[in-house]
Amino acid sequence: GQSLEQPSEVTAVEGAIVQINCTYQTSGFYGLSWYQQHDGGAPTFLSYNALDGLEETGRFSSFLSRSDSYGYLLLQELQMKDSASYFCAVKPGFQKLVFGTGTRLLVSP
Amino acid sequence: DGGITQSPKYLFRKEGQNVTLSCEQNLNHDAMYWYRQDPGQGLRLIYYSQIVNDFQKGDIAEGYSVSREKKESFPLTVTSAQKNPTAFYLCASSISGGVDSGYGYTFGSGTRLTVV
Repeated sequence: GQSLEQPSEVTAVEGAIVQINCTYQTSGFYGLSWYQQHDGGAPTFLSYNALDGLEETGRFSSFLSRSDSYGYLLLQELQMKDSASYFCAVKPGFQKLVFGTGTRLLVSP
Repeated sequence: DGGITQSPKYLFRKEGQNVTLSCEQNLNHDAMYWYRQDPGQGLRLIYYSQIVNDFQKGDIAEGYSVSREKKESFPLTVTSAQKNPTAFYLCASSISGGVDSGYGYTFGSGTRLTVV
């Protein structure tokens, strides 16, 4: 089976940096993805790591260590609009994507 | 603009009824998926399809059925056998069902189903 662990909630202030961790256990591994979901909305794709290291996309960066079965999403220069839930997801096999339970990020002024 | 359209946005079901949720995409994606999301929870996979006329059960397929007669369409039927159907249902698609998920999944805006 597969399992992913994320913190349930993280709080931060505008302009700060926050890191959301994700540890996983899977029978196979073909990459770690991150998705953002605002309340009542659709998840949107943020980033994907297939290999170890850091991927940067604007204010967001994502890191993967396959040997540690661990990754994180780093959000810099936080804005109020970044308040949302963030999900890590792994692809353990050829088809399906398995999602974590999500981390709710609350950004305050 | 390309995307995924789910309808209806809100759906109310009486006990014992079957209801069908629509999902249409114009992204020319081969793979499509249905996920269920309960309040404060992650997404759980119901069914997925890599190509037309083929689909596979996900982790929570009991009480649900799907069809994939056209590449663009992947409707989900919630049957009366699903004992706790109240949830937020999300349809998604990807370029392929293969291991390269670098392009990510594109999600529809969801259907909120409530049993009354």
